[in-house]
Amino acid sequence: EIVMTQSPATLSVSPGERATLSCRASQTVRSNLAWYQQKPGQAPRLLIYGASTRATGIPARFSGSGSETEFTLTISSLQSEDFAVYYCQQYNNWWTFGQGTKVEIK
Amino acid sequence: EVQLLESGGGVAQPGGSLRLSCAASGFSFDDYAMHWVRQVPGKGLEWVSLINGDGGTTYYADSVEGRFIISRDNSKHSLYLQMNSLRTEDTALYFCAKDGNSLTFFHYWGQGTLVTVSA
Repeated sequence: EIVMTQSPATLSVSPGERATLSCRASQTVRSNLAWYQQKPGQAPRLLIYGASTRATGIPARFSGSGSETEFTLTISSLQSEDFAVYYCQQYNNWWTFGQGTKVEIK
Repeated sequence: EVQLLESGGGVAQPGGSLRLSCAASGFSFDDYAMHWVRQVPGKGLEWVSLINGDGGTTYYADSVEGRFIISRDNSKHSLYLQMNSLRTEDTALYFCAKDGNSLTFFHYWGQGTLVTVSA
């Protein structure tokens, strides 16, 4: 099983600041990586797939990068609606998620 | 607009059974694989099972293999998860999700249905 490890567990950021979230795979997943946003009481929402392609309707302030085992989700200027939990997920070999990064208001 | 609506959750005893359903609309249902993903409240996400578009191929997580059965009825645009031999560790919110493209990411999600396994 490919283990996905996200860091940090919690990220405290002020509105308008940049947030950088990391995700590491225990073995290569090529570019078969997705990012999801989940708010309390809601289902996850797809943000990024193919490591760097924004899903339909996702604002340009969200960007993904990386390949093989190291990936990054960047939110360029945090808006109030961006405070949530973010999960990475690989789909190169079955489907596994990271444990999540909570982005909270500083 | 893609919509996925789960139902069938509830309380079951250990060793019991439940059948979850997911009603899909807004896309060509039989063109897409479908997944079940679960989440223990307050915890992370775990993929459970997948079925391809024509229902001929299914996959399961090791944690549910031999106990859960995924199926679909394309004429009814519906996905199902028959959950047998339930364990307390199966307690979770169960989401159905539409596959993105050829067994990849989870493109759209339902709101989930809660399964509680307790004596």
